Amino acid sequence: EAGVTQFPSHSVIEKGQTVTLRCDPISGHDNLYWYRRVMGKEIKFLLHFVKESKQDESGMPNNRFLAERTGGTYSTLKVQPAELEDSGVYFCASSHSGTSRTEAFFGQGTRLTVV
Amino acid sequence: AQSVTQLGSHVSVSEGALVLLRCNYSSSVPPYLFWYVQYPNQGLQLLLKYTSAATLVKGINGFEAEFKKSETSFHLTKPSAHMSDAAEYFCAVTEVRDNYGQNFVFGPGTRLSVLP
Repeated sequence: EAGVTQFPSHSVIEKGQTVTLRCDPISGHDNLYWYRRVMGKEIKFLLHFVKESKQDESGMPNNRFLAERTGGTYSTLKVQPAELEDSGVYFCASSHSGTSRTEAFFGQGTRLTVV
Repeated sequence: AQSVTQLGSHVSVSEGALVLLRCNYSSSVPPYLFWYVQYPNQGLQLLLKYTSAATLVKGINGFEAEFKKSETSFHLTKPSAHMSDAAEYFCAVTEVRDNYGQNFVFGPGTRLSVLP
């Protein structure tokens, strides 16, 4: 069974540019989460999809961040325009629905550097 | 609000020595607790989890953790460190919101170094 995959693994962009991160969850997982770890800080929750619907987006830092999950499969997280403080590692995770008392499976993360 | 603290951002042990990584949490409801590990250039991997069953939880690679409600702790231990245990370890707490899933609140992480 393939795990959670994220693309790209690394991205270096200039301030003001746009970047789109992609996450492919484990097949059959309705729950999809995005987390972020900025340098030296905790891993912070960004948002949670159930299938194609946003269940909780309370962690999204501002309107420069846009997440989508068309068709309830893969998800994209777009940052437009990127700022220096957006640098960090972005993790995606997925889990089954109806099994809230279980772990989420994490991807390898995308390391974003804004210069 | 839930929170997690991990005492010591960096812990060094000798190979073969006891590993003890500390985690304390706060939660307004009975928590579910997790330890994740991140090896270099890899994603987060689940080590073990506490979900209100046995308070002593055994995980992969010889790790275990004990849930102590009175101390609001969930410390991670391993009797004998191996060089391959060098990684960053994250404690996380979650509460059940609904049948769809839950959000994790992570601690700041502890980087474990194992000295030969």
